[in-house]
Order: sequence, then C-alpha cells, then structure tokens
Amino acid sequence: EPEVTQTPSHQVTQMGQEVILRCVPISNHLYFYWYRQILGQKVEFLVSFYNNEISEKSEIFDDQFSVERPDGSNFTLKIRSTKLEDSAMYFCASIQDSNQPQHFGDGTRLSIL
Amino acid sequence: AQTVTQSQPEMSVQEAETVTLSCTYDTSESDYYLFWYKQPPSRQMILVIRQEAYKQQNATENRFSVNFQKAAKSFSLKISDSQLGDAAMYFCAYRGSWYNNNDMRFGAGTRLTVKP
Repeated sequence: EPEVTQTPSHQVTQMGQEVILRCVPISNHLYFYWYRQILGQKVEFLVSFYNNEISEKSEIFDDQFSVERPDGSNFTLKIRSTKLEDSAMYFCASIQDSNQPQHFGDGTRLSIL
Repeated sequence: AQTVTQSQPEMSVQEAETVTLSCTYDTSESDYYLFWYKQPPSRQMILVIRQEAYKQQNATENRFSVNFQKAAKSFSLKISDSQLGDAAMYFCAYRGSWYNNNDMRFGAGTRLTVKP
C-alpha cells in the first residue's frame, strides 16, 4: 500500500536556525497537510495545501513557517528561525479526495537545542 | 470553531475484555467526518475507523466499532476482545465538509492500557 514518507525521522537543530522538514505524499493525492504534536499533547493542525497554494492555516502557522511543493513530489515545511517551543513531532498527511481519510507519514521528531 | 473533547485521559482494560473510549465534539455543520486514530509508542498515526455524519449506521471494522450519536454529538469507540497490541494513545478527530474546511481537529487523546 502506498505510504506518505517523511524525512528525516529525527532532526536536531540549534535555536535560531532554519529547518526544512520533507514529505513525499502518496503520488496521486492532491491535498496535503502538516500537523504538529508537542510531546504529551494532542495533534494540532498547521496548514493545508492544494493546487500549489495554502488553502487553510491555523494560528500556529505564523510568518516563521512556510510550505512549498518545489518539484511536484516533495512537500516541505520550513521553519525560518526555530524556537525552543518548536520542538515537536511534525506529521505530514495527504488525501486524494474529500471522501477519504488522511494518510499520515511516520512523522519527523524535531528537537531544538 | 469545531472542538473535540476526550474526557478520559487514561483507560485500562483486561485482555479479551471490551472497552469503550468516549469522544464528544462541537460543530454547527451537518455534514462532516469523524475518525479514531491509534498512536502506538512509535508515534505513528494509524487510522482505526471512520464515520460519515450522513450515515446513520455505525461503522464497524473487525473488533472496532463506534457508537455515533449525531444529535448528542457523541462518537465513542468500542474495542472488543482487547489485545495487548491495542495498547496505545487513541485520538478522536473531526473533519468538516469539504467546502468549509478540510483539516482535522483532534481530541487530547486517551491512553489505553491493556492488562494481560
């Protein structure tokens, strides 16, 4: 069964540095999402992306965050200047159409030092 | 805004017994989707079961079933014949109709322990 792939599985970054989290959604999927889960807390929506543009974003997704689909297969989340509170598990998800449940990747654990 | 509430931070069940995890949600929409996701210690997000709000019949997936009460905005998960591998965090999630929003809102989770 096709999977959503996320790399790296674990990213350690110094505070203030830029970080890019990468996702390869399932190939025929059209809608893409990023979620965040701070350790011990619930999964929170960050942003959704469709037709090469952001369709919705949460209050968490401020100017430090950006998303891109640079080459038709990768879907990236960039955090421009990381803060300690950005430490979390970041999940990418995708769906083909609105009737389907979201398929999640295995997540990237981001640790900010 | 839609909110999802899981009032049981932790639950435990004896192996082979049945357990029910509670979930309530708040929405003004009539068309939406509800999901239960399982998150084992590996922290993957695994879809357990889903329910379309327009369907009156409760979804069933092997040992997993839901009790969907639309008027009460309740969506509980029943796990029958619990197995050790069922131990995990369980998240209830809501997703609105496509034309309103298509992101998912999650509850705070219920940690399920299965005792041998």
